Amino acid sequence: AAGVIQSPRHLIKEKRETATLKCYPIPRHDTVYWYQQGPGQDPQFLISFYEKMQSDKGSIPDRFSAQQFSDYHSELNMSSLELGDSALYFCASSLDALRGTQYFGPGTRLLVL
Amino acid sequence: QQQVKQSPQSLIVQKGGIPIINCAYENTAFDYFPWYQQFPGKGPALLIAIRPDVSEKKEGRFTISFNKSAKQFSLHIMDSQPGDSATYFCAASDAGGTSYGKLTFGQGTILTVHP
Repeated sequence: AAGVIQSPRHLIKEKRETATLKCYPIPRHDTVYWYQQGPGQDPQFLISFYEKMQSDKGSIPDRFSAQQFSDYHSELNMSSLELGDSALYFCASSLDALRGTQYFGPGTRLLVL
Repeated sequence: QQQVKQSPQSLIVQKGGIPIINCAYENTAFDYFPWYQQFPGKGPALLIAIRPDVSEKKEGRFTISFNKSAKQFSLHIMDSQPGDSATYFCAASDAGGTSYGKLTFGQGTILTVHP
């Protein structure tokens, strides 16, 4: 079965640089979620999109923005990167947001030097 | 403020044992409670989930027990195997509300199953 695809899998950036993370949801899934997981931490919700519209927003810094495109893939744009942004970034997708069943991608490991 | 509290932080059992991981939640609007398994450097994988209209759900070796009045739920792993060694997260969402199903996670439990 097709799974959530994330790219790149690993990313190394310098402070103050920008980064773009991409997420391709499971086919026919209409909702995408982004989570950030620091070392030894639980995943923290950043932002979600339903049918290409932002549906909810969590603890996402103003330096970050995201969108969902017409083909349902999503991109998380991160600017003015800080050391503290180093983390695993997961995308999850859901067929029906109201049912809450989310399937996670393999994640992008971001390291900011 | 952690809306979903998970315990223990770590757990060591012998092969064949039955580890039990507990979670408690505060928000009575939560109506969907999944458990995820995560291996190092990998994404969380959905194990089993329950909704508050049932008190127990079993899938293979995994069982969720749910106590709505106490706002608690737990995961039992029957006949645990070394391959079950991973971090387990409970989570909760207000799937029927305006949050469009965002998950709030517990702090995680590192399970080690010795051969």
